[in-house]
Amino acid sequence: EDQVTQSPEALRLQEGESSSLNCSYTVSGLRGLFWYRQDPGKGPEFLFTLYSAGEEKEKERLKATLTKKESFLHITAPKPEDSATYLCAVQGSNYQLIWGAGTKLIIKP
Amino acid sequence: ETGVTQTPRHLVMGMTNKKSLKCEQHLGHNAMYWYKQSAKKPLELMFVYNFKEQTENNSVPSRFSPECPNSSHLFLHLHTLQPEDSALYLCASSQENAGDGYTFGSGTRLTVV
Repeated sequence: EDQVTQSPEALRLQEGESSSLNCSYTVSGLRGLFWYRQDPGKGPEFLFTLYSAGEEKEKERLKATLTKKESFLHITAPKPEDSATYLCAVQGSNYQLIWGAGTKLIIKP
Repeated sequence: ETGVTQTPRHLVMGMTNKKSLKCEQHLGHNAMYWYKQSAKKPLELMFVYNFKEQTENNSVPSRFSPECPNSSHLFLHLHTLQPEDSALYLCASSQENAGDGYTFGSGTRLTVV
């Protein structure tokens, strides 16, 4: 059964304290893994797509990596404006997206 | 306007009311989706439309009725809802097969009283 698990459920960091969010998945025929950011009261905002193991993508303080079983979203020297819920989803052979429950990230000044 | 626009942003309705949610996309995408988002739960796919044809209905109760008059517009008609239907309803669009992911609207926060 296709499944996505994100951990931790919530993460509190001090400004400047680097850390990583995890997205573990099982899927038949991975077509892509997606990371989104969601601010309160808004829809998810696209961040990255990763297509194959070993691939990495960066955007400002965020870096996403992918293996055959999981993806990490590394946050380097975060700022309070990085506070949000980060969602992970995988697309399998049937083209549908399977979503994780998200990690709520809080960056304290 | 660009992107995906949803109206209204907030909606409070009684269990006997009938209301509709509207979604419009200006991205030239071929597929549109309705999702339900409840606190601390993964996004729940409700309906999928490809080229105006419904291709997915994830066992959604009949009190939710979608309508897709063209590839740019999507509606969700609501009637006789239950309090447990209170949630954030998100519309999204994508190219066929969603290879580049989805673009989401800001959602409608629905409260059923």
